[in-house]
Amino acid sequence: EVQLLESGGGLVQPGGSLRLSCAASGFTFNTYAMGWVRQAPAKGLEWVSTISAGGGSTYYADSVKGRFTISRDNSKNTLYLQMNSLRAEDTAVYYCANYRAGFFDCWGQGTLVTVSS
Amino acid sequence: VLTQSPGTLSLSPGERATLSCRASQSVSSSYLAWYQQKAGQAPRLLIYGASSRATGIPDRFSGSGSGTDFTLTISRLEPEDFAVYYCQQYGSSPITFGQGTRLEIK
Repeated sequence: EVQLLESGGGLVQPGGSLRLSCAASGFTFNTYAMGWVRQAPAKGLEWVSTISAGGGSTYYADSVKGRFTISRDNSKNTLYLQMNSLRAEDTAVYYCANYRAGFFDCWGQGTLVTVSS
Repeated sequence: VLTQSPGTLSLSPGERATLSCRASQSVSSSYLAWYQQKAGQAPRLLIYGASSRATGIPDRFSGSGSGTDFTLTISRLEPEDFAVYYCQQYGSSPITFGQGTRLEIK
């Protein structure tokens, strides 16, 4: 059974940093592209970033480009999202998901990031 | 831009639901997906490629459409189907989602 477990969310001040992790199990992690999607409180879904299976290609939404970095450690079956220069508008639940040919196949339960002073 | 309609749909169990997703530009190769999200839960993939059901999705869910107009149909609503539904296009960059349709019990 595919399992994705996010961690690392919490309360951070504007301008601060946070690193999210997503531990994957139940599938061959190093053969799947992965991604992050976020959802602000009571709002819809917003794509954040995706990374290829090997980690060599990364893609970002304009809203986070230059501030967020996606990476993965295939030896640890773990996906990461390094978030710097955080803003109030980055407040959201962040989901990691398998990224299969453009759509998101299986999702984690999400981790809440709150940016506030 | 993906525009979903209606914003809220009120129906009773056993009825047929028709949800619309309209794109401002043609979605290449029907690269459109649908997701279901229940309160407090992560989204779940229902449909990809406009009409292919994801693994484990009941056949009362069906997707159709091409170009700029896409439809998710739930043939006979079950109590567990009342949720928010999102469409997503992946035919062009960036990936985008619609704003969602809330399906509520009448």
